[in-house]
Amino acid sequence: DIQMTQSPPSLSASVGDRVTITCRASQSIRSYLNWYQQKPGKAPKLLIYVASTLQSGVPSRFSGSGSGTDFTLTISSLQPEDFATYYCQQSSSAPVTFGGGTKVEV
Amino acid sequence: EVQLVQSGAEVKKPGESLKISCKGSGYSFPTYWIAWVRQLPGRGLEWMGIIYPGDSDTRYSQSFQGQVSISADKSISTAYLQWSSLKASDTAMYYCARPRIVGTGTDAFEIWGQGTLVTVSA
Repeated sequence: DIQMTQSPPSLSASVGDRVTITCRASQSIRSYLNWYQQKPGKAPKLLIYVASTLQSGVPSRFSGSGSGTDFTLTISSLQPEDFATYYCQQSSSAPVTFGGGTKVEV
Repeated sequence: EVQLVQSGAEVKKPGESLKISCKGSGYSFPTYWIAWVRQLPGRGLEWMGIIYPGDSDTRYSQSFQGQVSISADKSISTAYLQWSSLKASDTAMYYCARPRIVGTGTDAFEIWGQGTLVTVSA
């Protein structure tokens, strides 16, 4: 199985900050990397798929980049509703696997 | 509206059996894979397995093979996750999820159920 490693596990930030989360795959996954946001008590929400394509309805302050083994999720200007946990997921090969998550908190 | 609606929370004793459900609507249920994802309390997301309702082709994560059973009834647009003998360590939130692309199992999960909390306690 492909292992996904996210960093940092948590970070503290303020409204308006630029936030960057990284995700590394244990082998090349080309661009088959997806990002999710999860708030407490809620199901995950798809933000970005195939590394950099914004899901419909997701604000443009979210962006993704990378290919191969190294990927980044960036929030350009953190908003109050962005405090949540973020997960990466590879969909290059079965079984799909998730990173451990990054909790973005105040 | 495309949605997945899961059955309600369950409280069970160790050794009991359980079957939870995930009903799809607003799209062609037989033609999209449905995955099950576990989230232990305070922990991350784990892919358990996936089923193609059109022909019931099912794949399991090695971690969950033999521990759970996934099935589907395309006539009522419903997928199921089943345990024959629950353990306390099965206490978790369970989500069903549908990929973006028709007929593709390895893809981003665009649609999620609201989750079913399963609590196993003596």
